[in-house]
Amino acid sequence: KAGVTQTPRYLIKTRGQQVTLSCSPISGHRSVSWYQQTPGQGLQFLFEYFSETQRNKGNFPGRFSGRQFSNSRSEMNVSTLELGDSALYLCASSFWTGSTSGANVLTFGAGSRLTVL
Amino acid sequence: DAKTTQPPSMDCAEGRAANLPCNHSTISGNEYVYWYRQIHSQGPQYIIHGLKNNETNEMASLIITEDRKSSTLILPHATLRDTAVYYCIVRVAKSFGGSSNTGKLIFGQGTTLQVKP
Repeated sequence: KAGVTQTPRYLIKTRGQQVTLSCSPISGHRSVSWYQQTPGQGLQFLFEYFSETQRNKGNFPGRFSGRQFSNSRSEMNVSTLELGDSALYLCASSFWTGSTSGANVLTFGAGSRLTVL
Repeated sequence: DAKTTQPPSMDCAEGRAANLPCNHSTISGNEYVYWYRQIHSQGPQYIIHGLKNNETNEMASLIITEDRKSSTLILPHATLRDTAVYYCIVRVAKSFGGSSNTGKLIFGQGTTLQVKP
C-alpha cells in the first residue's frame, strides 16, 4: 500500500512569507503527527491530529499551525517565516484503535525540506 | 515518557552483527521500547518494539533486560545500507480517552551507526 506522502518535497521561501505543507497518511490511518528536524535541535514534535482535532501540541510558537481534514489528510502552516524555520518537516501517520493496550507504530513520510532565505 | 541514553556513535564491519545499546533506567511498567532509524535525509523508519519479552522481526532483534532498564538492538548481518542514525524511544501506550501522546515521540540524539566494508 502507498506510504505517507508529503508535498512539496523541497521549497524555498523568503523571510516574512508563509508556507503550507501537505501530508497524505496511509489509507486507514487516522492519526497524523508533524515533526521538525534541524541540525541543532534534532527531531522535535510539533503537533498531532486525530479525527480532525488537535490532540497534542509541542513547544512551538503560534506561527506554527495545522489542521486535519475529514479524509485524514493534514496540512501544516508556518506564517511570518524566519531564517530559523529552515528545516526538514516530517509527517507521520498511525493506525490507532483507541485500545489502552498495545503499541502504536508511526510511519513517516520522506519530508518537506524548507529553506528560508 | 522515560529518558533514554545511547552512545553517540558506533562502527560495525559489514556482515557482522551490530549491537546497539540503550539505557532507559526510569522506564515504567507500561512503557514500550521502540527503535527507529533514519538514513540520511529520509524520514525515520520503524524497526521494532517490545514491552517485556525479546522480539525479532525481519529487520532486527530486540533484547530487553529482565529489569527492563536497558535494551539492545541487534542487526544480525549489517550491510552498508544499515548506516544510519538509530533512535531508541520509550513511551506509554495511551488511549484517546482524553489527552493522548500516541503520535508524540521524543527523539534523543540517537546512535550514528557506520557500517564499514
